[in-house]
Formats: sequence, C-alpha cells, structure tokens
Amino acid sequence: QSALTQPASVSGSPGQSITISCTGTRSDIGRYNYVSWFQQHPGKAPKLMLHEVSNRPSGVSDRFSGSKSGNTASLTISGLLAEDEADYYCASYTESDSYVFGTGTKVTVL
Amino acid sequence: QVQLVQSGAEVKKPGASVKVSCKTSGYTFTRHVIHWIRQAPGQRLEWIGWIVVGDGNPRFSQNFQGRVTFSRDTSANTVYMELTSLESGDTAVYYCAREWSTWLDLDFWGQGTLVTVSS
Repeated sequence: QSALTQPASVSGSPGQSITISCTGTRSDIGRYNYVSWFQQHPGKAPKLMLHEVSNRPSGVSDRFSGSKSGNTASLTISGLLAEDEADYYCASYTESDSYVFGTGTKVTVL
Repeated sequence: QVQLVQSGAEVKKPGASVKVSCKTSGYTFTRHVIHWIRQAPGQRLEWIGWIVVGDGNPRFSQNFQGRVTFSRDTSANTVYMELTSLESGDTAVYYCAREWSTWLDLDFWGQGTLVTVSS
C-alpha cells in the first residue's frame, strides 16, 4: 500500500488561510469517506484534528476544516496562528481493510 | 482521565524481537480498539495495525504481516505489540493510540517508545 501524497511543505502568514491536499486512489480516499487528519509538533505524539473527512473532535478549533473531492482530501486552516506550525498527516481507510498515512506536510507560519 | 502509558526505550540487535506495552487507564478497556503506528526518525507515520481489545481480534498492515503480533491483558488494562526479525529499518518511535468510535478517530495516544535496532 503506497502512502497518500501530500505536499512536502505549505506556508502562510498569520491570519491567512492555507490548504493541504492529500491524494490517494480509488481504493482508499476515492472509495471511502474515512479520512483523518493529524497534527504533530516536534517530539510530540500526533493529535487528531479531523475524522471522517470533516468531523472535528471536541476541543479542536473550528479554524480547521476538511473536504474531499474524488481521490483527494483537503485540510484547510483559516486564520493561521503561530501555534499551527507543525507537521500534518492525512490517513485513509483502504479497500484492503487497513489504513494508510500520507507523506506528511510541514506547515510554516511566516 | 484517559491515559496510555508505554514502556521505555529499547535497543535491540538485528534479528531479535521487541515487545512494547501500552498500559491504559481512565476508561473501559474492552470498549475501544487500539491502533499501533510507528515513525522512523524524520519520516512519516506508518500504520502497523489494530487490535479489537474486547475479543483480541487483530488486523495487520501487509507490510508487517507475519512479523507482528498484538495481545492484551484485560486484568492489567494493557495491550502489547511484539515485532520479530528486527532490522535497522525498524528503528522508529512506536505509538499506541485509542480509537474513540471508529474509522481512525484516534483521540488519545501513548507517549511513544523508541526502538533502536543496531548491531
């Protein structure tokens, strides 16, 4: 199972909006609405930001939103804050009854 | 409060096995699935598999099939992951994470266990 494809890096200024893409195939993202997004700060465990494409867990800011079109899912961060600087990973359920993570995106707040 | 506390760092030689524990507390142990995920230094997250704690039923990534086993001790609220035939590429931080409901909504994570494979 190949990793989902994400841009290596995305940057934005405070207050701006950025979008991170996550591209899979018809066997994973294209087939299921079971995409999760995780935020990871250096040296820390990942934190769940979205599940099932666009559902935010309790406590996650509504500045984080998700969508999906075809084989690509997207995470949008609006009103960018310095604390949003981190690595972000998508993950999807697959037709092999397994999960696959994305390649990861480093978000830099300029 | 929900906590997942993992065992300490390990150094192993190639060909050896490692068993990592994940002790849970603060919730009903058998009601949630536990996933195992690893991250090699500077690399992406990689899904290893899950265990349905209630009945012990596991599911593994094809990348680890035949080399990994999951187990649980319901009296100790602890889940274990054992990885065999270690090689240098298995050097990574291994995480356990609780699935709240379904479909990889991993709401609580262990602190991670660094496994180093070196001769």
